[in-house]
Amino acid sequence: GESVGLHLPTLSVQEGDNSIINCAYSNSASDYFIWYKQESGKGPQFIIDIRSNMDKRQGQRVTVLLNKTVKHLSLQIAATQPGDSAVYFCAARRVDDMRFGAGTRLTVKP
Amino acid sequence: GAVVSQHPSWVICKSGTSVKIECRSLDFQATTMFWYRQFPKQSLMLMATSNEGSKATYEQGVEKDKFLINHASLTLSTLTVTSAHPEDSSFYICSARENRGGYTFGSGTRLTVV
Repeated sequence: GESVGLHLPTLSVQEGDNSIINCAYSNSASDYFIWYKQESGKGPQFIIDIRSNMDKRQGQRVTVLLNKTVKHLSLQIAATQPGDSAVYFCAARRVDDMRFGAGTRLTVKP
Repeated sequence: GAVVSQHPSWVICKSGTSVKIECRSLDFQATTMFWYRQFPKQSLMLMATSNEGSKATYEQGVEKDKFLINHASLTLSTLTVTSAHPEDSSFYICSARENRGGYTFGSGTRLTVV
């Protein structure tokens, strides 16, 4: 099955700075790559996704980049706010099979 | 947007008893729901895929007789942890696939077995 991993387990940024969270995957057969945000004691919340045939997608304050050559996915958060503090997971999905990465804890310092 | 309600949000039970967790899609029909387990500071691990009207598909290593899944309607899937033991203590999360293809997660259930 798909193997999804993250480069860094924790990330600390200053409020207002941009954040970049990275994810590596091993199997290129996935149809979609998704980023989720999980706050303590809650379920994952969808942030943004990208189809495997795209290399960039932008949302509100967030951008996802997909580099299929090196099998790398990143989430960029612009002007990071305290409310962005959470654990971020990348996930790779093929049809109904979705696998999650280990997660990166983002801490935003005021 | 699509909402998935999961109940209870937390439960404490004695070792050897069974616990049922409900997952409901409130404003859409979900033919497919998923159950995940998450241990502290770890990622979500898929336990099983629940299909309405048919048997669930379990991931390798997940005991189907211990984790009973019922998906009797298009809006409700239940997970019953039978004869729970302390090692079953975890955060259980369900998700439902919308008709548009998106996935919505429930808020999770914290199970503590004492």
